[in-house]
Amino acid sequence: NAGVTQTPKFRVLKTGQSMTLLCAQDMNHEYMYWYRQDPGMGLRLIHYSVGEGTTAKGEVPDGYNVSRLKKQNFLLGLESAAPSQTSVYFCASSSSGQSNEKLFFGSGTQLSVL
Amino acid sequence: AQKVTQAQTEISVVEKEDVTLDCVYETRDTTYYLFWYKQPPSGELVFLIRRNSFDEQNEISGRYSWNFQKSTSSFNFTITASQVVDSAVYFCALKRRSEKLVFGKGTKLTVNP
Repeated sequence: NAGVTQTPKFRVLKTGQSMTLLCAQDMNHEYMYWYRQDPGMGLRLIHYSVGEGTTAKGEVPDGYNVSRLKKQNFLLGLESAAPSQTSVYFCASSSSGQSNEKLFFGSGTQLSVL
Repeated sequence: AQKVTQAQTEISVVEKEDVTLDCVYETRDTTYYLFWYKQPPSGELVFLIRRNSFDEQNEISGRYSWNFQKSTSSFNFTITASQVVDSAVYFCALKRRSEKLVFGKGTKLTVNP
């Protein structure tokens, strides 16, 4: 049971470098999300998507871009990484955006920007 | 605005002790959902429970129980007879109809043998 798969699991970048995090889900979910988790801050929503071809900004979208070209994939891009983007990134999905929907999470990507 | 407060940043207990994790929320809506998620050391968040605002019935699932009180805007989580495997970060979260899920900052629970 794959569920939500994130790649890579770890990455170290230098300031100014770019990278893309990949999230894939095999549950045919419509909604996908990218969160970042920082010590003492909980999880904060970066961007989300309500379906293939759609994206929307969350609470902390600056410095990130996303794309949802295929329903099962949700990509998070950092065009010019900054030390402030050092964090653990989680992808999640849900079958819909209904209030009672639970989220399914990936195992996270630990990103360090030096 | 909606807000979730988990005032306990870290809790440490000895195995077999009971422990309660507090969650206080703020919302003006009458319809909303509350959730608890567990994040074990492996990192992946796992859904534990959801409760809608119209259902104040407490729930018990094995050693886990949840106490929802609208009068105090609280949705507390109790682990009875804690075990080492309960060591994790626990997140409380709130969702209103038209808004995205909002998480509290989490409570790190350490259960020592």
